[in-house]
Amino acid sequence: DTEVTQTPKHLVMGMTNKKSLKCEQHMGHRAMYWYKQKAKKPPELMFVYSYEKLSINESVPSRFSPECPNSSLLNLHLHALQPEDSALYLCASSQDVPSGSYEQYFGPGTRLTVT
Amino acid sequence: AQSVTQLDSHVSVSEGTPVLLRCNYSSSYSPSLFWYVQHPNKGLQLLLKYTSAATLVKGINGFEAEFKKSETSFHLTKPSAHMSDAAEYFCVVSAFRGANNLFFGTGTRLTVIP
Repeated sequence: DTEVTQTPKHLVMGMTNKKSLKCEQHMGHRAMYWYKQKAKKPPELMFVYSYEKLSINESVPSRFSPECPNSSLLNLHLHALQPEDSALYLCASSQDVPSGSYEQYFGPGTRLTVT
Repeated sequence: AQSVTQLDSHVSVSEGTPVLLRCNYSSSYSPSLFWYVQHPNKGLQLLLKYTSAATLVKGINGFEAEFKKSETSFHLTKPSAHMSDAAEYFCVVSAFRGANNLFFGTGTRLTVIP
């Protein structure tokens, strides 16, 4: 099974709401990632988890809070977002982190709209 | 430092004709290179990868790419385009050491004309 699943598929939230995005993989991968993708742009890396520990935070605002409860799950908690945060949020996983030769497997994404 | 340049933002081909999507890279180390495809409102799917083995890499759906170190290129080709190939294609280089960061090109939108 080479699938990464993400829920929900679509999310509309107000600027005062708190919501969470969920990501799951059952490939035994030890690295998981959150990306943000705006329309007609490549994905931008937000966070990297390696062995359930946060290893990279690409200067993401604190209104985005990642969590890795176990090796198969990755959450992204959202609070007090801005309209410019509307985007497609992609989760990915890879076998490991240290070697750049490991390909990343992407989920279908969550389309987030902030009103 | 790693970077990727996709030379065409949009490529249009007729169904049944060859596809060529161009990619040049820059890397301080021996690179790993990938091509991903993204259909509208979908996630990214890995087409193929190069990791210092054979320079001609075959991927899914009839795509292949050739790693040319002297030209720092990794162009994606397919002999005959199908309507289902219409999508956004990203060339990606990976840092060989340290974090598994992927450096994305800006993407090439492939249109297939019936």
